[in-house]
Amino acid sequence: KNEVEQSPQNLTAQEGEFITINCSYSVGISALHWLQQHPGGGIVSLFMLSSGKKKHGRLIATINIQEKHSSLHITASHPRDSAVYICAVTLNNAGNMLTFGGGTRLMVKP
Amino acid sequence: DTEVTQTPKHLVMGMTNKKSLKCEQHMGHRAMYWYKQKAKKPPELMFVYSYEKLSINESVPSRFSPECPNSSLLNLHLHALQPEDSALYLCASSQEVGGYTFGSGTRLTVV
Repeated sequence: KNEVEQSPQNLTAQEGEFITINCSYSVGISALHWLQQHPGGGIVSLFMLSSGKKKHGRLIATINIQEKHSSLHITASHPRDSAVYICAVTLNNAGNMLTFGGGTRLMVKP
Repeated sequence: DTEVTQTPKHLVMGMTNKKSLKCEQHMGHRAMYWYKQKAKKPPELMFVYSYEKLSINESVPSRFSPECPNSSLLNLHLHALQPEDSALYLCASSQEVGGYTFGSGTRLTVV
């Protein structure tokens, strides 16, 4: 079993829909990262969380440390949000190394 | 400057060639990373430099040779690669603890 699991693996939405991507982890972490990767492109860091909730524009990330679970929400989705969203964690006592989830491939249709 | 710059963006090389990938950051980050990413897979860690010293080598074949000439630059020297080494090579940087900044990657094709 992977230490970081994401769901769903693939997601198709209509423009304007509210989107939720989930990430669960099974180990102690010092931080959780949400990353975005457009097709053929580099990775953009969206959020780094160790507790609570963060918001940036239409993106909201939450984390529940007790339940070992995080969600990434996209409000008023747009076709330009189509990308792979990757959850990654830094493990306790493992420095700043990232352990990646498998990614969620999101397509937003106009 | 809040970017990690990677060059070249695309590279095609033969199996007998020697080439280098370059990565540069001016954010004062003291950790720099090389990742390899195959299609539809998450990145795989190759090397970590911390304070310009190689701190992690994830059992990468010797045909990949990293170099950190100074705190802003990271190179990956390639020699005698195989077609299965074709992938997106990503560079990233971070402080000792904290968020990452990734480059846009070099798409490498070995023919």
